[in-house]
Amino acid sequence: DIQMTQSPSTLSASVGDRVTITCRASQSISGWLAWYQQKPGKAPKLLIYKASSLDSGVPSRFSGSGSGTEFTLTISSLQPDDFATYYCHQCDNYSGTFGQGTKVEIK
Amino acid sequence: EVQLLESGGGLVQPGGSLRLSCVASGFTFSTYALSWVRQAPGKGLQWVSAITGGGGGTFYADSVKGRFTISRDNSRNTLFLQMNSLRVDDTAIYYCAKSGLAVAGHFDYWGQGTLVTVSS
Repeated sequence: DIQMTQSPSTLSASVGDRVTITCRASQSISGWLAWYQQKPGKAPKLLIYKASSLDSGVPSRFSGSGSGTEFTLTISSLQPDDFATYYCHQCDNYSGTFGQGTKVEIK
Repeated sequence: EVQLLESGGGLVQPGGSLRLSCVASGFTFSTYALSWVRQAPGKGLQWVSAITGGGGGTFYADSVKGRFTISRDNSRNTLFLQMNSLRVDDTAIYYCAKSGLAVAGHFDYWGQGTLVTVSS
């Protein structure tokens, strides 16, 4: 099984900060990597798919990059609505695996 | 508008069974793979099971293999998860999720989730 290691597990930041979250796969997954945002009591919401494609309606301050085994999610200027937990998801096959999550907290 | 509505969760004793359902609307149901993803209280997301659009291919996490069965009824736009031999560590919110592609891929839509509690 492909394992996903996401870091950091918690991130404290201020409004306006540039934030980067990293996800590493235990083997190459080409570009089959997605990022989701989850707020308390809500279902996850797709942000990025195929490593760098922005889902419809997602603000352009979110971006994704990477290939092979290393991927990043960047928020260029953190907004109040962005404080949430973020998960990466390898979807190279039907047996997808999620990272452990990164909670973005207010500093 | 795509909608996924889960039901069937509840409280069950260890060793018991539950059947979850997910009714979908707003897209051509038989075209897309669907999955169940769960989230234990205060924990991260865990993929549980997936089924291809036609229903001929099914996939399971090792932790549920042999105990859970995924199926779909394309005539009723409904996804199912039959859960047998339930254990305390199966306690979680169970989400149904639609693949963004006709095959395996990211999940572009999620249901609101249904809570399964396994406890004596």
